[in-house]
Amino acid sequence: GQNIDQPTEMTATEGAIVQINCTYQTSGFNGLFWYQQHAGEAPTFLSYNVLDGLEEKGRFSSFLSRSKGYSYLLLKELQMKDSASYLCAGMDSNYQLIWGAGTKLIIKP
Amino acid sequence: SQTIHQWPATLVQPVGSPLSLECTVEGTSNPNLYWYRQAAGRGLQLLFYSVGIGQISSEVPQNLSASRPQDRQFILSSKKLLLSDSGFYLCAWSVADRVTGELFFGEGSRLTVL
Repeated sequence: GQNIDQPTEMTATEGAIVQINCTYQTSGFNGLFWYQQHAGEAPTFLSYNVLDGLEEKGRFSSFLSRSKGYSYLLLKELQMKDSASYLCAGMDSNYQLIWGAGTKLIIKP
Repeated sequence: SQTIHQWPATLVQPVGSPLSLECTVEGTSNPNLYWYRQAAGRGLQLLFYSVGIGQISSEVPQNLSASRPQDRQFILSSKKLLLSDSGFYLCAWSVADRVTGELFFGEGSRLTVL
């Protein structure tokens, strides 16, 4: 079956670095997505990885290892506004997204 | 620029009542359109997607239906709501090019069925 696993909740300190891990099992693979979702709001796109390696975009970076079925989202210089849920989603061979339940990130001052 | 709107934002409905959620996209043509449901502690569940007018694919059996009467309009309906239909409903669109797959979501509609 298809499955996305990510931690339910993480806590980090303002100004620090946090890494949110995601493992995936999909029928075929056409990329791995990360979305940010603030409470009560719609998800917004953060990153897309289809090749192995690290993609950096400002304070956020996303990593993919296809051989391990593994990705992580790295957030640097954490700010209070980064408190949100982070959704990992894998795209299968039919170009359908399989979503994880999300990781709630709590930032403490 | 492209925008997506869905309404209503919040609604409380009795069991057995009908439902209609509407979603419109502006600033793009022939988008792929999606209806998702998000339950607490669970991943986004794809309910319906559409690649064109009148073309609807259903991902899960349920008492919900979807229609796409116009290129940029997507409607989620039910004739009789169940308690289990409560949740956060999200409309989304993507460019017809499958390779990118990036989704742009509407504001969401929170449905409570009592």
